[in-house]
Amino acid sequence: GQQLNQSPQSMFIQEGEDVSMNCTSSSIFNTWLWYKQDPGEGPVLLIALYKAGELTSNGRLTAQFGITRKDSFLNISASIPSDVGIYFCAGQLWGNKLVFGAGTILRVKS
Amino acid sequence: SQTIHQWPATLVQPVGSPLSLECTVEGTSNPNLYWYRQAAGRGLQLLFYSVGIGQISSEVPQNLSASRPQDRQFILSSKKLLLSDSGFYLCAWSALDRSKNIQYFGAGTRLSVL
Repeated sequence: GQQLNQSPQSMFIQEGEDVSMNCTSSSIFNTWLWYKQDPGEGPVLLIALYKAGELTSNGRLTAQFGITRKDSFLNISASIPSDVGIYFCAGQLWGNKLVFGAGTILRVKS
Repeated sequence: SQTIHQWPATLVQPVGSPLSLECTVEGTSNPNLYWYRQAAGRGLQLLFYSVGIGQISSEVPQNLSASRPQDRQFILSSKKLLLSDSGFYLCAWSALDRSKNIQYFGAGTRLSVL
C-alpha cells in the first residue's frame, strides 16, 4: 500500500532558527497537505498543494509540492515558541483516502 | 462556515464497558466522514470512513464499529472496551468534491480504558 516517510521524527531547535521537514513516497500524489497538531487538539490544516512544483506560503510557513509528485517539503522561518507541536504531511491520489506521515515533533528552545 | 464537533473531550471507562463517541458536522451537506485513532501522540490510523448515510467502510479489524444515522452525524461504538482501545480518537470531514479532498479534524476525544 501507499506509505509516506516523514523526516525528521523530531527536532529540538533554538528560537529564531529556520526549520525544514519533508515527506517522501514511492507513489505519486495529486494533493499534498501539511497539518499541525497542538497537544491535546486535532490537526489543523496549514497548507494545501495541488500542482507539481507548486510553492505556497502561509505566513512564516512555506511548502512545496515536489516536481516528481512523490515528495513535499515544509519550511518554517524564524521559529517561535508557539511553533511547538506535531507536523503531519498527507498525500492524496484522486478520490482515495489521505495517507499520513508519522509526524515530526517540533520542540523550540526559547 | 463549516464546523465539526466531537464529544466528550475526555472519557475514562472500565474494561468491558460499552462506548459511544459522537461527531457532528455543521455548515455542509453530504460530507465524507472519518474516524481516526492516534496512539501516543503520533501517527493517525484510519478506522472507518463513510461517504453517505448508512455507508461505512472499515479499514482495520478491531473491537470498534461505526454508524452514520444522519447525514452529518458519525458515531464510533464498542460493545465491550479493551485496554488496547485507549487512545486519542479524531473525527474528520471532507467535502464530497474529490478534486480537493482536504480533511478537517475535530478536537478529539481522549479515551482511557482502565
